[in-house]
Amino acid sequence: SQTIHQWPATLVQPVGSPLSLECTVEGTSNPNLYWYRQAAGRGLQLLFYSVGIGQISSEVPQNLSASRPQDRQFILSSKKLLLSDSGFYLCAWSVDGNQPQHFGDGTRLSIL
Amino acid sequence: KQEVTQIPAALSVPEGENLVLNCSFTDSAIYNLQWFRQDPGKGLTSLLLIQSSQREQTSGRLNASLDKSSGRSTLYIAASQPGDSATYLCAVHGSSNTGKLIFGQGTTLQVKP
Repeated sequence: SQTIHQWPATLVQPVGSPLSLECTVEGTSNPNLYWYRQAAGRGLQLLFYSVGIGQISSEVPQNLSASRPQDRQFILSSKKLLLSDSGFYLCAWSVDGNQPQHFGDGTRLSIL
Repeated sequence: KQEVTQIPAALSVPEGENLVLNCSFTDSAIYNLQWFRQDPGKGLTSLLLIQSSQREQTSGRLNASLDKSSGRSTLYIAASQPGDSATYLCAVHGSSNTGKLIFGQGTTLQVKP
């Protein structure tokens, strides 16, 4: 069966510090991968998606970037965090665009 | 631009009651619609996915319907239980190639014992 792992579960970072969140999927190959953010009082917003290694699409202009160095690894990064980057970050995968998306347990990021 | 709305934002019912959660979307050109459950501080659990060609999907006590022409979906929960308490999110797949999801704000359900 397929599983998705995200880490860390929680993270507290100072403004201006770098960020790296990692997501890995097991039990499938060439999945679609997604990064979402859920900010307090707001809905889930798609940040990045990837349909293959090295293929990254950004949905909103922001302070973040994503990379897919391996088939089942998706990384969310920032060089300098802003207060507005606080939120709950969720990674998801699907077999393709028409299949259900399955989410990880999320990373709660607090910026001080 | 696709927009997804869920009404009500919050709902409280006694245990055993049947209930309906509503989801509406502005652009009927969707590929499918997915319902999720989110417990506090947790990730999302996929409940049901309805393809655009389908009218409904069932899983246990859950039944989801889809009316593309009117831009509506409903999630029916039969014989609600306290363990059903959670936030329920609907999301529309706007592209078959990428599976980009557009989410509603969710309905927070409380089932009282």
